Amino acid sequence: SQKIEQNSEALNIQEGKTATLTCNYTNYSPAYLQWYRQDPGRGPVFLLLIRENEKEKRKERLKVTFDTTLKQSLFHITASQPADSATYLCALGFYGNNRLAFGKGNQVVVIP
Amino acid sequence: EPEVTQTPSHQVTQMGQEVILRCVPISNHLYFYWYRQILGQKVEFLVSFYNNEISEKSEIFDDQFSVERPDGSNFTLKIRSTKLEDSAMYFCASSVTQLAGGQDTQYFGPGTRLTVL
Repeated sequence: SQKIEQNSEALNIQEGKTATLTCNYTNYSPAYLQWYRQDPGRGPVFLLLIRENEKEKRKERLKVTFDTTLKQSLFHITASQPADSATYLCALGFYGNNRLAFGKGNQVVVIP
Repeated sequence: EPEVTQTPSHQVTQMGQEVILRCVPISNHLYFYWYRQILGQKVEFLVSFYNNEISEKSEIFDDQFSVERPDGSNFTLKIRSTKLEDSAMYFCASSVTQLAGGQDTQYFGPGTRLTVL
C-alpha cells in the first residue's frame, strides 16, 4: 500500500542547533516533493519545493534533500529558533494530476 | 502579500444540515482545491477545480459534496447533508497553474473548522 511516513514523535531541540526531519514514502513515484509548516489550528504554509531531478534546495535557514532511490526527503532547519516550533508536513506531487499527498507531519519544539 | 481567505473560521451545524464553506483564492490563480484534515490526522485531498469544472476528485468527495465558483472571486464547498464524520478542518488552496513537472505550488487558506453535532 502507499505510505508517506514522518516521525510521529516530537523533535525537541535546543535553540541554535540543526533540526533534521525525515519523510519516507512507499509505492509512490512523485514528480516533486514539498514541505509545509503548520501551526495549531492554522493552514499549511508553503516552505520549499524540490523536484525529482534535484538533489538539494535551500532557502535561508532551510535545506531540503530528495533521494528518489532511497524514497526519502530530509528537511533541515539550521540555527533553530523558538519561532520555528511547529509541525512540518511533507507532501508529494505527481505528474498528470494536481492532488498533493501529505504525511501526518512531524512536530518540532525548539527549546530556548 | 496575496493570500487565500476562508469564511467562516468556525461552523457548527446539526447532523443532516447543509453547509457551505467559502473561499477567496489568490486573484491571478487558476486552479482551486479543497482539502480536509480530521483532528490529529493528515491533510487529505478532496477536489481540484479548473475552468469551471472539477478536474480531479478523491474517493472522499462523494455525492454529498459539491463545489462551485459562483462569481469571479469566490470558490465554495457544499456538503449537502452533514454527518458526524464530516467534522474536520477544511482548507481551500489555489495555484497559478497545474503542478505538472513541479513548476508551481499550492497556497492554503487558514481553514474552516466544521463541527457536526
